Amino acid sequence: QSALTQPASVSGSPGQSITISCTGTSSDVGYYNYVSWYQQHPGKAPKLMIYDVSLRPSGVSDRFSGSKSGYTASLTISGLQAEDEADYYCSSHTSSSPLGVFGTGTKVTVL
Amino acid sequence: EVQLLESGGGLVQTGGSLRLSCAASGFTFSSYPMSWVRQAPGKGLEWVSLIYTGSTYNADSVKGRFTVSRDDSKNTLYLQMNSLRAEDTAVYYCAKGPKNTVTRYFDYWGQGTLVTVSS
Repeated sequence: QSALTQPASVSGSPGQSITISCTGTSSDVGYYNYVSWYQQHPGKAPKLMIYDVSLRPSGVSDRFSGSKSGYTASLTISGLQAEDEADYYCSSHTSSSPLGVFGTGTKVTVL
Repeated sequence: EVQLLESGGGLVQTGGSLRLSCAASGFTFSSYPMSWVRQAPGKGLEWVSLIYTGSTYNADSVKGRFTVSRDDSKNTLYLQMNSLRAEDTAVYYCAKGPKNTVTRYFDYWGQGTLVTVSS
């Protein structure tokens, strides 16, 4: 299956809010409320930030929030901090396979 | 504390084989679906294999070449990789999914092991 579409890069100043989009199809993002988001710092393993579209695992800052409308899911980071600079990937369950699909990834830069 | 520790990566020639292992601790390993996810240098994430309730699934890119298995008595996940190609060069992560449901997300990841395929 094809990767979900994310913008290659998003940037913002400290304290600002940014939103990363993740666009899929009627077979994945548009059908299931099973979108997750991962943060990955260079040389590190991905870390779960959001699951089931908008739920935060224990320990994840409430500055991170998720939503979905139609075929597009979004991750919003409010009160942007230097430590938020990382790559972010969305993922969704899909009807075409038990294996889900990841997004193309977005590099977040804190100016 | 949940821990996943991969091992077995390294340099292998094109057409060669390698077996990766992922030692799990801190949770009831046998109750959870486990997966392998890889990341080629400078690229995005790709879900490679999934194993749960005795069933296994592989991405089309590795079908017929890679085999995922687990030994619940040893709390260990494996990935047997045969007929390796240059495009299999990547960091391979093992990842844990939630139980009693489709793998909607990965709540824990290992630190990864690098596989380099070269002629």
